Amino acid sequence: AQSVAQPEDQVNVAEGNPLTVKCTYSVSGNPYLFWYVQYPNRGLQFLLKYITGDNLVKGSYGFEAEFNKSQTSFHLKKPSALVSDSALYFCAVSAYSSASKIIFGSGTRLSIRP
Amino acid sequence: DADVTQTPRNRITKTGKRIMLECSQTKGHDRMYWYRQDPGLGLRLIYYSFDVKDINKGEISDGYSVSRQAQAKFSLSLESAIPNQTALYFCATSDLLLRDTDTQYFGPGTRLTVL
Repeated sequence: AQSVAQPEDQVNVAEGNPLTVKCTYSVSGNPYLFWYVQYPNRGLQFLLKYITGDNLVKGSYGFEAEFNKSQTSFHLKKPSALVSDSALYFCAVSAYSSASKIIFGSGTRLSIRP
Repeated sequence: DADVTQTPRNRITKTGKRIMLECSQTKGHDRMYWYRQDPGLGLRLIYYSFDVKDINKGEISDGYSVSRQAQAKFSLSLESAIPNQTALYFCATSDLLLRDTDTQYFGPGTRLTVL
């Protein structure tokens, strides 16, 4: 069975500071890992994914995520937060290369204060 | 994503009523999905379709049915709506190409309230 956990319901960061949104996973075999972002009244948008290769993955809007196999984590990071980054962020995991097998986390609300 | 549209965007209905949510896409993708989003639970897969003749149940299909009328259209029906089906519903698509089968593109969502 596969699962994903986002331990923080909300993360608050001051604009200009670095941000981290945490994600841990459990899957048999090699994981496929994703981050999606949901802005108010919008559907989810793809940010980045890890399939294989370099543990540091760069995505849209200046976000990046680091795959850590030993800690089974895939934390989302950004060096300098913007107010416009405020949104709901979802981590997702799959043991297969098929979107039908993806499991989404419960989401973390990121709030960036000016 | 404007390439994936959902109608209606908001709907209030009563217990026992039949309701249909519609999804259309202009991305040319073969694969389409229906999810529901509940606060604190993330997204859960209801049904998915890999082509017009291929329909599959997801994690929480009970109480729902789907129809894939064409490559571009995928409808979700609640035959007899109940209050615990109140949620935000999303349609999504993904490409058949091996390098991108796992990336999904979401519609704007339909907020459904069952009284």
